[in-house]
Amino acid sequence: KQEVTQIPAALSVPEGENLVLNCSFTDSAIYNLQWFRQDPGKGLTSLLLIQSSQREQTSGRLNASLDKSSGRSTLYIAASQPGDSATYLCASYSGNTPLVFGKGTRLSVIA
Amino acid sequence: NAGVTQTPKFQVLKTGQSMTLQCAQDMNHEYMSWYRQDPGMGLRLIHYSVGAGITDQGEVPNGYNVSRSTTEDFPLRLLSAAPSQTSVYFCATYRQASGEQYFGPGTRLTVT
Repeated sequence: KQEVTQIPAALSVPEGENLVLNCSFTDSAIYNLQWFRQDPGKGLTSLLLIQSSQREQTSGRLNASLDKSSGRSTLYIAASQPGDSATYLCASYSGNTPLVFGKGTRLSVIA
Repeated sequence: NAGVTQTPKFQVLKTGQSMTLQCAQDMNHEYMSWYRQDPGMGLRLIHYSVGAGITDQGEVPNGYNVSRSTTEDFPLRLLSAAPSQTSVYFCATYRQASGEQYFGPGTRLTVT
């Protein structure tokens, strides 16, 4: 059974810092890995999706990497801003059942 | 193009009452799923469907029923609400080929 872990559970950084959020998964036979953002009291917004054949995906200041052999993905946020404050969730997809989610990292960017 | 819609946005029930959470999509995705989100527990899968007429259980199915008579709709029924079902419920769709999921805005349910 796939298990997805995100460490740390919470992170606080000053504005402008580059930061990395970590996601690990136990079963490397994944189809893809997806990163989401969730603002308090809101739904989930998809940020990046990395297919199993890819090593990374980029969107603006966000870069997500995937290393299936080590069971790890990272989300890199460059030049963080207070508007980046949210909970970030990663989820793995194995092609036959819906996503398995980590519990998220709650990010606070302090102005 | 509304994407994934959920109704109601908020609901308060008394223990023992029943209700149906509605989910509809206009993206023609074959797969739909229901999750609940609780503090410290993350998102947990309740039920999912791979197409009209086909449903399966997820991680926490007890106390919930689903059916899928059309591609567009996937309602979640609480037969006899319990305080342990107080949660935020999310409906999602995804296309099997890419696995990318799209979420509705959620329903916040309180059972007293």
